[in-house]
Amino acid sequence: GAGVSQSPRYKVTKRGQDVALRCDPISGHVSLYWYRQALGQGPEFLTYFNYEAQQDKSGLPNDRFSAERPEGSISTLTIQRTEQRDSAMYRCASSLTGLETQYFGPGTRLLVL
Amino acid sequence: DQQVKQNSPSLSVQEGRISILNCDYTNSMFDYFLWYKKYPAEGPTFLISISSIKDKNEDGRFTVFLNKSAKHLSLHIVPSQPGDSAVYFCAASAASNYQLIWGAGTKLIIKP
Repeated sequence: GAGVSQSPRYKVTKRGQDVALRCDPISGHVSLYWYRQALGQGPEFLTYFNYEAQQDKSGLPNDRFSAERPEGSISTLTIQRTEQRDSAMYRCASSLTGLETQYFGPGTRLLVL
Repeated sequence: DQQVKQNSPSLSVQEGRISILNCDYTNSMFDYFLWYKKYPAEGPTFLISISSIKDKNEDGRFTVFLNKSAKHLSLHIVPSQPGDSAVYFCAASAASNYQLIWGAGTKLIIKP
């Protein structure tokens, strides 16, 4: 079956622009996670959804970052007024429930110039 | 402050031999540990896990050992195969919390 998909795979943007990153989880998975991964590091938790409810956004670095999952399936991570330090790989994962194995998408590589 | 540490950025092992990847943690509240494997241009994929009530979990060629007193876990791959060449991440969570804390990864290279 289809795994977690993310789009776009690569995004180059200019500083100050807004970007929206999309995650399509595995069908039927209740839980969805967003992570950010810097080069040479492991993923760092950003936020977590159960169905459409954002249960935890403690990892979002500041208020320029937001995420939504309005129908409990596809999720969008939005970064407003991007800065160069936002450049990273953004990874999405989903799991059947909050305590099950997390399955990761291929990630979106964001480069802010 | 890194709560999960993988101190070896890379490891090279001869095909057929044993690969041992190490991971140390500092948070004594962690009670569930996972290993993920990542190929280039792909997301991490789950490999094996262990709960703190056990000290060993085995799945085919992969065995994870947990030493709670030393706050150390290791992944053993026997025998190592070329397809095992990848980056391996150690991750941990506390008290059935969904939040995973990740190490920086170890790049494993299997030499033919």
